[in-house]
Amino acid sequence: NAGVTQTPKFQVLKTGQSMTLQCAQDMNHNSMYWYRQDPGMGLRLIYYSASEGTTDKGEVPNGYNVSRLNKREFSLRLESAAPSQTSVYFCASSEALGGREQFFGPGTRLTVL
Amino acid sequence: EDKVVQSPLSLVVHEGDTVTLNCSYEVTNFRSLLWYKQEKKAPTFLFMLTSSGIEKKSGRLSSILDKKELFSILNITATQTGDSAVYLCAVPNNNDMRFGAGTRLTVKP
Repeated sequence: NAGVTQTPKFQVLKTGQSMTLQCAQDMNHNSMYWYRQDPGMGLRLIYYSASEGTTDKGEVPNGYNVSRLNKREFSLRLESAAPSQTSVYFCASSEALGGREQFFGPGTRLTVL
Repeated sequence: EDKVVQSPLSLVVHEGDTVTLNCSYEVTNFRSLLWYKQEKKAPTFLFMLTSSGIEKKSGRLSSILDKKELFSILNITATQTGDSAVYLCAVPNNNDMRFGAGTRLTVKP
């Protein structure tokens, strides 16, 4: 089992460019999440998907969109990247919502110039 | 506003020392508190606590939750260099998960 996988591992964008971060899990989990991690601020939830076909905003959704493509895959899109979106992005999954253990992917380090 | 506060932000100890990491929280509809260890990449799960006074143990790591005073502690005894990491505390808030900023632990040989 690969667990949670993310692509790419690193990305550099110019302001205004768009990109999609991909995430997939092979644990048959219902719920998936996207976080960003900035120095001194811990992990902050961007969007989550309780189950296939549903998505909801988290704490910091502005500037992002998500798609729950199927039960395995959950993508995060930046339509017009800004320097404030420079961060490390983590995807995670869990059996269900409700404070259960979440399994994290290896992260994507994104720099927006 | 819901929040999770960890202290200290960083800590440097020597191998063999015992450390205590703190996590205080204010969230509505408390259900559980989780501890994660983050080395170079993804956070990995350590403990989940749901009931006050229950101590979770895993080898040299243990954790206690106090639901009355709204805090948890993570203890690591006989620290090793492999314990060097950022330790994150997280508390679910409805469908959200609020993380603290973390405590960076450095264990020197």
